[in-house]
Amino acid sequence: GESVGLHLPTLSVQEGDNSIINCAYSNSASDYFIWYKQESGKGPQFIIDIRSNMDKRQGQRVTVLLNKTVKHLSLQIAATQPGDSAVYFCAENPSGGTSYGKLTFGQGTILTVHP
Amino acid sequence: DSGVTQTPKHLITATGQRVTLRCSPRSGDLSVYWYQQSLDQGLQFLIHYYNGEERAKGNILERFSAQQFPDLHSELNLSSLELGDSALYFCASSVGTSGIGTQYFGPGTRLTVL
Repeated sequence: GESVGLHLPTLSVQEGDNSIINCAYSNSASDYFIWYKQESGKGPQFIIDIRSNMDKRQGQRVTVLLNKTVKHLSLQIAATQPGDSAVYFCAENPSGGTSYGKLTFGQGTILTVHP
Repeated sequence: DSGVTQTPKHLITATGQRVTLRCSPRSGDLSVYWYQQSLDQGLQFLIHYYNGEERAKGNILERFSAQQFPDLHSELNLSSLELGDSALYFCASSVGTSGIGTQYFGPGTRLTVL
């Protein structure tokens, strides 16, 4: 039979615009969050991370915001470039015990940047 | 290039067969993680090894097993393959065991079960 694939959210922006990609996480015990970028045919690539004791962290052209009250994470990309086109995943790492190392990934968002 | 290598890049096999996927972590990394990425399930954690010992298990089928060798490379063994096992299999590595810290992903092995 025909398989049903995930229907990923999509975001289309113009080159130079700012992009905001959102993610809702599930586990209130998670204490570490990561954003990954995955280009076609490649493995996920680390972008930025944040611990639960922080609300905001900035990198080069990227900012991650964490709202623990509503269990929401966002990735802001400034001056988006065509090379930023990819699937973006948020991942959470629950604290403690046997959950160590066990990243739980969101479904991903497809970002398309138009020149 | 993340520094994590995976072989083979592509693998095509038949139902009922057994395959072995291989991963070499980045130099100095002691932890190896395996993930499965399929169209209908997304990216799913399978198993984590640290310095040769199993540390965490995800939704890994009993038909699947893994090990990490003294030289820190890891192998994922998939047996009695089914059509639904067709997916991308990624290996990732990190320095420590806690899972806090960047996991660097390899390029993946694309498994097709016919």
